[in-house]
Amino acid sequence: LAKTTQPISMDSYEGQEVNITCSHNNIATNDYITWYQQFPSQGPRFIIQGYKTKVTNEVASLFIPADRKSSTLSLPRVSLSDTAVYYCLVGDLLIDYKLSFGAGTTVTVRA
Amino acid sequence: GAVVSQHPSRVICKSGTSVKIECRSLDFQATTMFWYRQFPKQSLMLMATSNEGSKATYEQGVEKDKFLINHASLTLSTLTVTSAHPEDSSFYICSAREGREDTEAFFGQGTRLTVV
Repeated sequence: LAKTTQPISMDSYEGQEVNITCSHNNIATNDYITWYQQFPSQGPRFIIQGYKTKVTNEVASLFIPADRKSSTLSLPRVSLSDTAVYYCLVGDLLIDYKLSFGAGTTVTVRA
Repeated sequence: GAVVSQHPSRVICKSGTSVKIECRSLDFQATTMFWYRQFPKQSLMLMATSNEGSKATYEQGVEKDKFLINHASLTLSTLTVTSAHPEDSSFYICSAREGREDTEAFFGQGTRLTVV
């Protein structure tokens, strides 16, 4: 599985856009990029998944450059309830979908 | 999204006893389930992968005789922590995916195990 690198923590304020960049220099051809959110004492929750270019859903956007060596999760207009740990994962869905979690990014949203 | 349910959400047991944690996929059939362990302020660590009807595959360093995994049906996997000790106290989380290559994994709410 491709190793990922994310910032340890990020601070933001309500209403701002939060962008978390994940580096995955060794991403393989068949690897997808998936982001999960985890609140304390809860299981991770799927946010978004993509392979290339841009993916958007009702919660977030995922930007993936052409070389796919990084990706950026964008959370628009965050609120206090978006305070959580965000994990970037990279894996081959077709062969082995063992999800290997890195350290994640702790996002703290302040009023 | 699909629902994965874990039971119990919290359990306290005495040292030396065994504890069983259940993971159920409520609205889909899960050919593959995963078990994770998470210590405070740390990330999730994959313990094992279980496939319905076959033996679980354990990650390096995880004792298969201590953490018994059974995936007897397409909707239920169980993790039994045998002869639990205080160092086994942790947050245990399961995840499941339906089996199609393009589906994401769904996670249970986790089980907080405290061994006293």
